[in-house]
Amino acid sequence: DSGVTQTPKHLITATGQRVTLRCSPRSGDLSVYWYQQSLDQGLQFLIQYYNGEERAKGNILERFSAQQFPDLHSELNLSSLELGDSALYFCASSSLVQETGELFFGEGSRLTVL
Amino acid sequence: AQSVAQPEDQVNVAEGNPLTVKCTYSVSGNPYLFWYVQYPNRGLQFLLKYITGDNLVKGSYGFEAEFNKSQTSFHLKKPSALVSDSALYFCAVRDSNQGGKLIFGQGTELSVKP
Repeated sequence: DSGVTQTPKHLITATGQRVTLRCSPRSGDLSVYWYQQSLDQGLQFLIQYYNGEERAKGNILERFSAQQFPDLHSELNLSSLELGDSALYFCASSSLVQETGELFFGEGSRLTVL
Repeated sequence: AQSVAQPEDQVNVAEGNPLTVKCTYSVSGNPYLFWYVQYPNRGLQFLLKYITGDNLVKGSYGFEAEFNKSQTSFHLKKPSALVSDSALYFCAVRDSNQGGKLIFGQGTELSVKP
């Protein structure tokens, strides 16, 4: 158990809909990272927050947004969903920005868009 | 830009034989390198990391990795493979210039047959 909690584990929805994925980092970790894993794209970095502020942005679509709340949990919002958004979405956390330590990953949220 | 490459999509090994999963890297500055393992429908689990010091790094579940600066490689190894080692393995580099996110290779599917 990494200590990172993601909900929901599975989500099935229709095209055009909006969903919210939630992540609770390990206790004490200030940094949260979101990744998308799909068969054709591999593991893609989406966005990072540190103590409530956006720190780095990757290949995140404009239809997607995220935020980190004062209690340090984070949410990834996916809107106007398309079939191609079907993927496994991972959250990871670490204690400091630009440290040399590993990231701790949650079990992921599997999104299926029909 | 930081990057890692895993040249093999799949590696097949007989149980009891040594295994190697290859990774090469391209970084500016000091490389902070990691190996993760992903079992089916699970999150990524940290195996080991190289930050500095000894070129041979020991990690979880009997795995080790050899850092080779001249060949810009960080291959994952295990002296005797187990069927339970069958999983997807990812090499990653920490991007210290951009918030500290991990940049992953495409992954290598390891299959260990009895």
